[in-house]
Order: sequence, then structure tokens, then C-alpha cells
Amino acid sequence: GQNIDQPTEMTATEGAIVQINCTYQTSGFNGLFWYQQHAGEAPTFLSYNVLDGLEEKGRFSSFLSRSKGYSYLLLKELQMKDSASYLCAVMDSNYQLIWGAGTKLIIKP
Amino acid sequence: SAVISQKPSRDICQRGTSLTIQCQVDSQVTMMFWYRQQPGQSLTLIATANQGSEATYESGFVIDKFPISRPNLTFSTLTVSNMSPEDSSIYLCSVGLAEYEQYFGPGTRLTVT
Repeated sequence: GQNIDQPTEMTATEGAIVQINCTYQTSGFNGLFWYQQHAGEAPTFLSYNVLDGLEEKGRFSSFLSRSKGYSYLLLKELQMKDSASYLCAVMDSNYQLIWGAGTKLIIKP
Repeated sequence: SAVISQKPSRDICQRGTSLTIQCQVDSQVTMMFWYRQQPGQSLTLIATANQGSEATYESGFVIDKFPISRPNLTFSTLTVSNMSPEDSSIYLCSVGLAEYEQYFGPGTRLTVT
């Protein structure tokens, strides 16, 4: 079956760095996505990785290792507004998005 | 990017009734998707609605329960039929703009009593 695993919840301190991991097992691979979802709101696109390596976009970076079925989202200089759920999703061989359950990130002052 | 609106934003409905959710996009898109997100859960794809073809439903979802219309490239509707409390959820439409860009509407929060 297809499976996406990510931690349920993480806590970090304002100004610090946090890494949210995602491992996946899917039928085929056409890219991995990270979305941010604030409580009561729709998900918003953060990043897309299809090749191995690190993609940096401001305070957020996303890493992919296809051979390990592994990705992480790195958030630097954490701000209180970064408190949200972070969803990992993989596009499979049928170009369907398989979603993880999301990681709730709690930022403390 | 795309600006996506949904109506209604929320509703409280009685068991056995039906609700039609509208999704409007500010540009023409081929691929539209309908998702359900139950409290504390991740997204579950209900169906893919491409203009000019019948909607494709995921396992566990059937057309009689969730009929979808896609009359043009900027609009779609999802109907939740014969509702039960288990249908209480957030329903989200999304559009695919490029091979890796998917944008979501604000969602419709449905409560069935």
C-alpha cells in the first residue's frame, strides 16, 4: 500500500530552527510537496521537490532523497505565525497526491 | 497562482438532506479536485473533475453520494447527498495549474445534525 509518515506534533521556540521529517512508500514518484495549513484555513503550497537535494526558499528549505524515500522541511528563524500544520504529500505514478496526516507545529515564545 | 472561492463557507444541515458546494476559479483550469478533511485529519481526495469528462472517484466515494458537475473551465460543484453526521467535515476544492502546483479554495465547513 501507499504510506506517508510524519510526526504528529512538534514544539519549537521562537527564533530557533525546526526540521519536520517525512518518509514515504508510494507506487511511483512524481514529486514531493510540502503545504502549510493554519487552523481553519485551506492548505497553502510551500515547496516541491522532484530531484534529490535541498531547495531553499527564504526561511523555508525542503530536502529530498528519493533512494531513501525521505524528505524534510526546515524552518529557520521561527516566528509565532509559523504555528500551523505542515502536510507532506507525494505525487504517485498516476499523478495523484498521496497526503500525510500532517505535523502540528507549536511555536513557544 | 489562482484565486478560488467556495460557497457556502459553512453550513449546518439536517440528516437526510443534500448540500451543493460551489467552487469558482478566476482563471480557466483543466484539473479540479474535491477533497474532504475531517477534524484533525489530513486531506482525502474524493474525486477529480476535469472539464469535458466524467468525474473520477476515489475508492470509498461514489457518484450517487457525491455527484459532481464541471460545466466549464472555471466552475465546479460537489453535492453531498442524503447527509449523515459522518459527512460532517471540511470540503475543499483545488485546482492544478502546472504539473506541480495545486491551489486550494478556502473550504466549506459542513456540520450535519
